[in-house]
Amino acid sequence: DTAVSQTPKYLVTQMGNDKSIKCEQNLGHDTMYWYKQDSKKFLKIMFSYNNKELIINETVPNRFSPKSPDKAHLNLHINSLELGDSAVYFCASSQQTGGGEAFFGQGTRLTVV
Amino acid sequence: SQQGEEDPQALSIQEGENATMNCSYKTSINNLQWYRQNSGRGLVHLILIRSNEREKHSGRLRVTLDTSKKSSSLLITASRAADTASYFCATQIYNQGGKLIFGQGTELSVKP
Repeated sequence: DTAVSQTPKYLVTQMGNDKSIKCEQNLGHDTMYWYKQDSKKFLKIMFSYNNKELIINETVPNRFSPKSPDKAHLNLHINSLELGDSAVYFCASSQQTGGGEAFFGQGTRLTVV
Repeated sequence: SQQGEEDPQALSIQEGENATMNCSYKTSINNLQWYRQNSGRGLVHLILIRSNEREKHSGRLRVTLDTSKKSSSLLITASRAADTASYFCATQIYNQGGKLIFGQGTELSVKP
């Protein structure tokens, strides 16, 4: 069983569209994250949720709206996609917010054309 | 601002050789972690070293942490072709919601 799974794996869409990426973890973790990896492989946190509550919003444009229906799911909705949104988006989870290893999904490669 | 910097950015070695990657960071940390990323895949956690620890081992991996210099190193001994990947250090800071602050990574290529 995949611990952290996200769908889709690839997403190609036109500028201006709205798209969603889904993430689910079956590890029983309380904390979930979204990270963005750019074309130079630099990884930066976007959001963190603990037990469905937003705890980190790392100055991400409000076109990006995470939603956590329960602590096992953290979805990412992006409105009005721009060329600069092209990147690989990773979902991750960890047991607690205080510190510890994170488990990452396989990533969603988003290409905006 | 980016917390970690890694060097070298790229490293190419022969199978059986050792690989050393270095990471520097800027502020006090709770812990430092190393992750591996194979091409087109997600990140896999390798090892975590806490701020009060100086050295840690896991199989062929050895990690050191020098908090006075704000630096860490990852040593992979007796490398294998399967070790070819990108390696990232990441720091966690107290009361920051568990977020990881990543370095820019080292691309390791192990030639058979």
